[in-house]
Amino acid sequence: GEDVEQSLFLSVREGDSSVINCTYTDSSSTYLYWYKQEPGAGLQLLTYIFSNMDMKQDQRLTVLLNKKDKHLSLRIADTQTGDSAIYFCAEKNQAGTALIFGKGTTLSVSS
Amino acid sequence: GAGVSQSPSNKVTEKGKDVELRCDPISGHTALYWYRQSLGQGLEFLIYFQGNSAPDKSGLPSDRFSAERTGGSVSTLTIQRTQQEDSAVYLCASSTRLAGNKANEQFFGPGTRLTVL
Repeated sequence: GEDVEQSLFLSVREGDSSVINCTYTDSSSTYLYWYKQEPGAGLQLLTYIFSNMDMKQDQRLTVLLNKKDKHLSLRIADTQTGDSAIYFCAEKNQAGTALIFGKGTTLSVSS
Repeated sequence: GAGVSQSPSNKVTEKGKDVELRCDPISGHTALYWYRQSLGQGLEFLIYFQGNSAPDKSGLPSDRFSAERTGGSVSTLTIQRTQQEDSAVYLCASSTRLAGNKANEQFFGPGTRLTVL
């Protein structure tokens, strides 16, 4: 079945780069997403990538997609304490009716 | 404009009681989703409404769970005879199906934290 896997924790120092990795199972996914959840807040779409792309850059964020390996990564350059949050990787389910989320990676940024 | 709102923000109930959770989507959004976020389990899809089409209920974990969407806007998720394993944060999201929005971004509400004692 459809499944999205990601590591649960990442700890970095302020100013370093963070790389959050994700693997997914549905090779027919047209879009893959990164959502951010700050403490006590709802999920917010951070960025997404279309499956015919292998890279997308948006300011400090870089998304890399390896379709062959079904691997998605999110790189945050110059990580700040305000980036501390839970980051969810997601793909659409086969019916296209909802998102399949990973369990989330908790990013902890220390100063 | 206003985002997705949910009520109540917190709900504590006793095992065996029924609960109703409410979601007000963003005005004009035709698609509405319910998810459940349990500790250590990530987000789990529950149900999806799109316009007047039959909802996709494939994610509902048992027949104690049901949802309706009246008038194509507000939605209510009902859990009957609650169990302790139902304790979770229930998230609602909505999205538009405008032609240009192929990525179909979902906007999430703040969630309802349900605790079943």
